[in-house]
Amino acid sequence: DTEVTQTPKHLVMGMTNKKSLKCEQHMGHRAMYWYKQKAKKPPELMFVYSYEKLSINESVPSRFSPECPNSSLLNLHLHALQPEDSALYLCASSPSGGVSSYNSPLHFGNGTRLTVT
Amino acid sequence: GDSVTQMEGPVTLSEEAFLTINCTYTATGYPSLFWYVQYPGEGLQLLLKATKADDKGSNKGFEATYRKETTSFHLEKGSVQVSDSAVYFCALGPPEGGSQGNLIFGKGTKLSVKP
Repeated sequence: DTEVTQTPKHLVMGMTNKKSLKCEQHMGHRAMYWYKQKAKKPPELMFVYSYEKLSINESVPSRFSPECPNSSLLNLHLHALQPEDSALYLCASSPSGGVSSYNSPLHFGNGTRLTVT
Repeated sequence: GDSVTQMEGPVTLSEEAFLTINCTYTATGYPSLFWYVQYPGEGLQLLLKATKADDKGSNKGFEATYRKETTSFHLEKGSVQVSDSAVYFCALGPPEGGSQGNLIFGKGTKLSVKP
């Protein structure tokens, strides 16, 4: 079982809908990440939160809005998405506030499969 | 800029065959190197890692050695099982102390193991 929990597992939404993806970890990790993965492609980094502050935004369109209410939770708010935004959205966390160390690999959730119609 | 090149898949093997998935990288400095595995319907899991030249990462019978002279980190397993069927991603990360968010993934190699 993954220690990073993502809900929902699947989401279908229209282009005018507003929805949110949720991610939760209770490992005491201080960095959390959103990735987007299209079919047969590697994950692409979207956002990084370090100690609950947004530290990296990879030029993501404003229709994606991240939120980190506390150190255990990470949300991704979705509004006015396009069909090309359909993908697997992966959340990940790491122990050391976004700083690499030998003992701080990324822990991924199983993702939310998003379909925009 | 930094990059990772992975052998194209898919790779199809019979059970108990030997596996090699090639990975080479281009980077400045002394990056860390990782192999992640993605089973169907799941997120990515760290399989193994190495943080300096000549380090060997190993896990679940898989091995990879950080070769600075050939800028490679090839994944090997002596005897694959059907349960190893998955997509394998080679990744390049920052050195110790760098920003973890700068992980660079290869394109992934799909492995199918037949009984």
